[in-house]
Amino acid sequence: EDQVTQSPEALRLQEGESSSLNCSYTVSGLRGLFWYRQDPGKGPEFLFTLYSAGEEKEKERLKATLTKKESFLHITAPKPEDSATYLCAAANAGGTSYGKLTFGQGTILTVHP
Amino acid sequence: NAGVTQTPKFRILKIGQSMTLQCTQDMNHNYMYWYRQDPGMGLKLIYYSVGAGITDKGEVPNGYNVSRSTTEDFPLRLELAAPSQTSVYFCASSYPNNGYTFGSGTRLTVV
Repeated sequence: EDQVTQSPEALRLQEGESSSLNCSYTVSGLRGLFWYRQDPGKGPEFLFTLYSAGEEKEKERLKATLTKKESFLHITAPKPEDSATYLCAAANAGGTSYGKLTFGQGTILTVHP
Repeated sequence: NAGVTQTPKFRILKIGQSMTLQCTQDMNHNYMYWYRQDPGMGLKLIYYSVGAGITDKGEVPNGYNVSRSTTEDFPLRLELAAPSQTSVYFCASSYPNNGYTFGSGTRLTVV
């Protein structure tokens, strides 16, 4: 059974204090690893897709990296507007062209001014 | 470009009532999905569709039904609502192996 586990469950940072969020995955053939941001009362918003170990992607203060077992979302010099829940999801190869996404439970990030 | 539109945004149902959650997308995506999100539990897949006329069960399909008569629309039907179906429901769409575009969600309470 595919599993995605995120840690920590919640993270409180001071503005400018860099840190990382972890996503550990076990899937039967990884097709892609996805990161989403979710603001309260809204749907998840797509951030990144990583396809192979060693791949990195960046967007403003966020950088996502991938190994064969984990993905990290690094947040450099965060601002209060980066406060949100960050979701990780893994797509398995599957028997068809459909890549079912298994989501982690999310990390709630709070950045204090 | 509206993306994925879900209606209603909020709904309170009594136990045993039925309702349909509406979802429509204007991006010509073949793949559409319904998820439910419960506190601390992550997103769980209810049903998905890879094209008009094709649907299949996800992880938690019991108590729900779907149909996909057009590319744009993917309604989710709740029959005989139960308190366990109190949740936030998200519809999403995508091209194969691309990131999903999610709707803004429907918050459902069954009392």
